[in-house]
Amino acid sequence: DVKVTQSSRYLVKRTGEKVFLECVQDMDHENMFWYRQDPGLGLRLIYFSYDVKMKEKGDIPEGYSVSREKKERFSLILESASTNQTSMYLCASSLSFREGSNEQFFGPGTRLTVL
Amino acid sequence: DAKTTQPNSMESNEEEPVHLPCNHSTISGTDYIHWYRQLPSQGPEYVIHGLTSNVNNRMASLAIAEDRKSSTLILHRATLRDAAVYYCILLIYNQGGKLIFGQGTELSVKP
Repeated sequence: DVKVTQSSRYLVKRTGEKVFLECVQDMDHENMFWYRQDPGLGLRLIYFSYDVKMKEKGDIPEGYSVSREKKERFSLILESASTNQTSMYLCASSLSFREGSNEQFFGPGTRLTVL
Repeated sequence: DAKTTQPNSMESNEEEPVHLPCNHSTISGTDYIHWYRQLPSQGPEYVIHGLTSNVNNRMASLAIAEDRKSSTLILHRATLRDAAVYYCILLIYNQGGKLIFGQGTELSVKP
């Protein structure tokens, strides 16, 4: 069974803290994605990566950075957490960009609260 | 970004078929039509996708209009477990596999 795991289901942090959200996939997928989901706004793409050490900005990258040192792991970093980053964060992976048909597999999500 | 339009919500009775519509009038020839659903408290999961022809899999069927400006996701016999938000998404060929989620259709299933 394909699997995308995220390091925490729930996380509470304070304003100004540096926050790391980890995502691991066991499917040898090339592509990995970070989204956030907020009521009324749906899922929005933060960053994605199509290869190790490669990253591309999504639609809302401000206040975030990412790291992909190994193929199976994609980390989302909040350099200085703010209350408006309270959200559900979802990681996903897919096989390759070479086809338009690739499905994305999602993790269970991390609900982050910034106080 | 290529846009899809779906009804905000729909209701169905258990054991009956459900037709979830989606309009995508700005679709281009190489864009794939993807459907995902999100059950409560879970991440989205892939349902089905297609390019031009109708598609069937174990979860659902996808009917694509001849001009490709609309599509319909068909659940043949709705169950209570099918209650979810269903997203119709265009996967843009030259945008590297990005999925742009809209608001989706919230499907409720009555016993």
